Amino acid sequence: GAVVSQHPSWVICKSGTSVKIECRSLDFQATTMFWYRQFPKQSLMLMATSNEGSKATYEQGVEKDKFLINHASLTLSTLTVTSAHPEDSSFYICSAYAGQGSYNEQFFGPGTRLTVL
Amino acid sequence: GNSVTQMEGPVTLSEEAFLTINCTYTATGYPSLFWYVQYPGEGLQLLLKATKADDKGSNKGFEATYRKETTSFHLEKGSVQVSDSAVYFCALRSNTGNQFYFGTGTSLTVIP
Repeated sequence: GAVVSQHPSWVICKSGTSVKIECRSLDFQATTMFWYRQFPKQSLMLMATSNEGSKATYEQGVEKDKFLINHASLTLSTLTVTSAHPEDSSFYICSAYAGQGSYNEQFFGPGTRLTVL
Repeated sequence: GNSVTQMEGPVTLSEEAFLTINCTYTATGYPSLFWYVQYPGEGLQLLLKATKADDKGSNKGFEATYRKETTSFHLEKGSVQVSDSAVYFCALRSNTGNQFYFGTGTSLTVIP
């Protein structure tokens, strides 16, 4: 149980295009989903926290118009990188949190590697 | 505020050596503490956790004890294997919210 998937696992796009990354909790309902960014050989940087049905809360320094987050259901959150540029190339990881019972912890997706040419 | 300070790597050990990765934290209230492991090209996996002082988390031969007096949660393993090569992250979750705070990660390489 407690599986979180991400799609796609790897994407290459041209500069100026938009990319959508999906995060799904497969066997539980996630009240909260988190989006992280990881640079090579560095730790995870929390980008935003999203609760189902409400607007995401962005961390300081993260452009909310650049990184659009939608949490339309208790099992799906999407991150859209708009007008991507090479500096947006990174490893994006989502996590899902149910906050109750055996799911009272964060479960991480496998990550999406974005390369912007 | 909340923060995690983790031993910098990289760490290289021979197989069957003893492993310690230090982790200390700063937190308001009583956080829960975690160790996550990231294998090459993969996402994070929960390795072990402890939710209150003096709790010991253990899994796959790894252990860590929640020490409130020293605000530490050091990861240990008595005999590492090549398959333990990965990046290890110490993290805390505040008891006032769902947010996690991660250390910078420690890369471990175990050589045969």
